[in-house]
Amino acid sequence: AQTVTQSQPEMSVQEAETVTLSCTYDTSESDYYLFWYKQPPSRQMILVIRQEAYKQQNATENRFSVNFQKAAKSFSLKISDSQLGDAAMYFCAYRSADDKIIFGKGTRLHILP
Amino acid sequence: DAGVIQSPRHEVTEMGQEVTLRCKPISGHDYLFWYRQTMMRGLELLIYFNNNVPIDDSGMPEDRFSAKMPNASFSTLKIQPSEPRDSAVYFCASSSGPYNEQFFGPGTRLTVL
Repeated sequence: AQTVTQSQPEMSVQEAETVTLSCTYDTSESDYYLFWYKQPPSRQMILVIRQEAYKQQNATENRFSVNFQKAAKSFSLKISDSQLGDAAMYFCAYRSADDKIIFGKGTRLHILP
Repeated sequence: DAGVIQSPRHEVTEMGQEVTLRCKPISGHDYLFWYRQTMMRGLELLIYFNNNVPIDDSGMPEDRFSAKMPNASFSTLKIQPSEPRDSAVYFCASSSGPYNEQFFGPGTRLTVL
């Protein structure tokens, strides 16, 4: 069975600095998708970035980028130039070919002014 | 526990028809969430309940969508009338507490022709 592990329950970063959130997963599938979601206090799940497993190039969305290491089954999220609005819970998620979605337990990110 | 149970797993219907998706949360969980997932928009929170009461339905796309939770062990998401753009995978999730881990059901893949 697939699993997703986020080993950092909480992290803090100074405003304008860079922070990396870690995520590892376990799967025997070769085709899948990985996601990072942001969940602010509103509870809405906001898609931050997605990565297709067959693509070797790391996905990037403005200040957000990933380090996707398929062989190591690692999918970390880097946030550059952290802003106060980045404070939220961040969830790493795995979606299998049959649409099953598995979330990690989340990392609560605090931004220090 | 069997986990979150959703039915049906797959639904194919024609435009204009009524569609009802069902969810049974994990026993003892007091929060229930309905999500819609598409590749374009990722995972969107539609509505969530606490102790069977709808708390936030701001994610419900339009009046064609309605959700109910008549008791602690059952919830429905209804689309009437359905449209092709409603085609997506709909997930139900439950948790004990507002910020605890959410447990997702297997999802219902809806196709509206």
